[in-house]
Amino acid sequence: QKEVEQDPGPLSVPEGAIVSLNCTYSNSAFQYFMWYRQYSRKGPELLMYTYSSGNKEDGRFTAQVDKSSKYISLFIRDSQPSDSATYLCAAGSGGSNYKLTFGKGTLLTVNP
Amino acid sequence: EADIYQTPRYLVIGTGKKITLECSQTMGHDKMYWYQQDPGMELHLIHYSYGVNSTEKGDLSSESTVSRIRTEHFPLTLESARPSHTSQYLCASSELDGAEPQHFGDGTRLSIL
Repeated sequence: QKEVEQDPGPLSVPEGAIVSLNCTYSNSAFQYFMWYRQYSRKGPELLMYTYSSGNKEDGRFTAQVDKSSKYISLFIRDSQPSDSATYLCAAGSGGSNYKLTFGKGTLLTVNP
Repeated sequence: EADIYQTPRYLVIGTGKKITLECSQTMGHDKMYWYQQDPGMELHLIHYSYGVNSTEKGDLSSESTVSRIRTEHFPLTLESARPSHTSQYLCASSELDGAEPQHFGDGTRLSIL
């Protein structure tokens, strides 16, 4: 079993839709969680960073972490064509452990 | 805004050539990383460094080598390129604290003929 599982999609939605992207993880040591956005031919760009359980909101984006079910989510409200990209979830245990474990990424297309 | 730069962005080269992929960051980050990314697959860590003169192999076995002589510079070298090395290579950096997020460059897309 991979430590971080992510449905690769692809996911296609109309402009203005609410998008829900999800990952599950198996390692109980994971304490911090990230969402990266990667446009075609570009590197991953940090979108959201969450430590432990709870919600974090930034504009149209909300990240949720539920450590009891080992489930992490990214919600995009009022989606825009410019949100079309691959979204990668990542998790790490922090401290002296340098590693991040990434999901495969979900390809999102927002249609005008 | 993360400032991490990779050159070249694209490279098409023949088998057997020696290749160096450059990565530089201007943030003063101690930790730097090299990942390999193939279509539809997870990022796989191939090398990392905690600071000057520190280099370690990552989770994915790689025939490449790295060096860290200066804090800001973390080049990756392939002594003799093969078609199996064709991939996208991403460089990243972060603060020393393990809880800090990693910031990525735009990658080098390498094709070995």
